[in-house]
Amino acid sequence: QVNLLQSGAALVKPGASVKLSCKASGYTFTDYYIHWVKQSHGKSLEWIGYINPNSGYTNYNEKFKSKATLTVDKSTNTAYMELSRLTSEDSATYYCTRDYYDGYTDYWGQGVMVTVSS
Amino acid sequence: DIQMTQSPASLSASLGETVTIQCRASEDIYSGLAWYQQKPGKSPQLLIYGASSLQDGVPSRFSGSGSGTQYSLKISSMQTEDEGVYFCQQGLKYPLTFGSGTKLEIK
Repeated sequence: QVNLLQSGAALVKPGASVKLSCKASGYTFTDYYIHWVKQSHGKSLEWIGYINPNSGYTNYNEKFKSKATLTVDKSTNTAYMELSRLTSEDSATYYCTRDYYDGYTDYWGQGVMVTVSS
Repeated sequence: DIQMTQSPASLSASLGETVTIQCRASEDIYSGLAWYQQKPGKSPQLLIYGASSLQDGVPSRFSGSGSGTQYSLKISSMQTEDEGVYFCQQGLKYPLTFGSGTKLEIK
């Protein structure tokens, strides 16, 4: 069965960076894009961007272009998102999710909470 | 960016009641709309895509309709397990955008 397993919660200091992981299993990793989505304080959802695991091509929301960097490691079926220059505004739960088609996403990771605090 | 406006922000329904949630896009999205359900402490789950196609495994009491800029999600007979927050999302253009969510509770 399809599963996206995300890394554990992170507590990071303002100005630092954090790299989140999303390990895929149960399907051919390179066949589906991976999206990343931000959810602040249980509120609504913001699309950060997606990566094509086969080619490494990325497409970012302009809002997150200088904040997030998406990469993959095909050898371990893992997608990564690095968030840089963290501020309190980056404290949120971040999800990886598999593209079903046309921007719809069918499987979601369990989410990882990032807390930015000194 | 395409703005998605959901209504109502919250509602409560009795068991067996029919529930309807609305979503309006700031421009025509040509049925490029999905609905997700999120239960407390859980990840969102895809219910409907392409405005009206039911995702595999989703109960048939859920249905979606609409066109142009106006869409709706209907739950034909409210069940306890339907409590949660519902989001619409447009998939026509990047950046993908979501509605602000509708919190549905049992009355």
